[in-house]
Amino acid sequence: QQPVQSPQAVILREGEDAVINCSSSKALYSVHWYRQKHGEAPVFLMILLKGGEQKGHEKISASFNEKKQQSSLYLTASQLSYSGTYFCGTGVTGGKLIFGQGTELSVKP
Amino acid sequence: DTEVTQTPKHLVMGMTNKKSLKCEQHMGHRAMYWYKQKAKKPPELMFVYSYEKLSINESVPSRFSPECPNSSLLNLHLHALQPEDSALYLCASSPAPQPSYNEQFFGPGTRLTVL
Repeated sequence: QQPVQSPQAVILREGEDAVINCSSSKALYSVHWYRQKHGEAPVFLMILLKGGEQKGHEKISASFNEKKQQSSLYLTASQLSYSGTYFCGTGVTGGKLIFGQGTELSVKP
Repeated sequence: DTEVTQTPKHLVMGMTNKKSLKCEQHMGHRAMYWYKQKAKKPPELMFVYSYEKLSINESVPSRFSPECPNSSLLNLHLHALQPEDSALYLCASSPAPQPSYNEQFFGPGTRLTVL
């Protein structure tokens, strides 16, 4: 039931782009994206809902393919501050949120 | 005020101790959550409170006892814990009690060590 994220880890140079994927074997009602820096709390980035509605930061973009039960987070022109672990969370029946295993992103100067 | 606060930041306790974790939010959110996070793992949902009532208990052992005294406060009472319960305990809140449809705001967590 846990969504699967790929890649598990990625290293970028400043200014490079990255895509993080999240897929589920279960029907999805929503997909959340959070970033957690080492030793800190997870921070909300975006929610994508069935029907196309999105809520989140203007500088973050993501897609949600309801039929394929997949979501992708697009990080463009990466900055050092983008480093951290990215978690997708999938909304399932019962109103629960289940997080994927995380993708560790490192942005180097 | 747009933050969730948690106390204490760190807690070390023996297996026979009783302690409590506290979480507070003043954003008017009607849902509050407890998560457990082990190192290099995602947060795992433990409990959900919706309008101050327990709505989800993810089969958490009874040595963890949640309490929601009012809409701003969430406690987690700990008793007779095991060393494997050592983890980061995160509190979160969201505007409405459908966690899959509403963004969650996380507190900084309490780092718990059980000796």
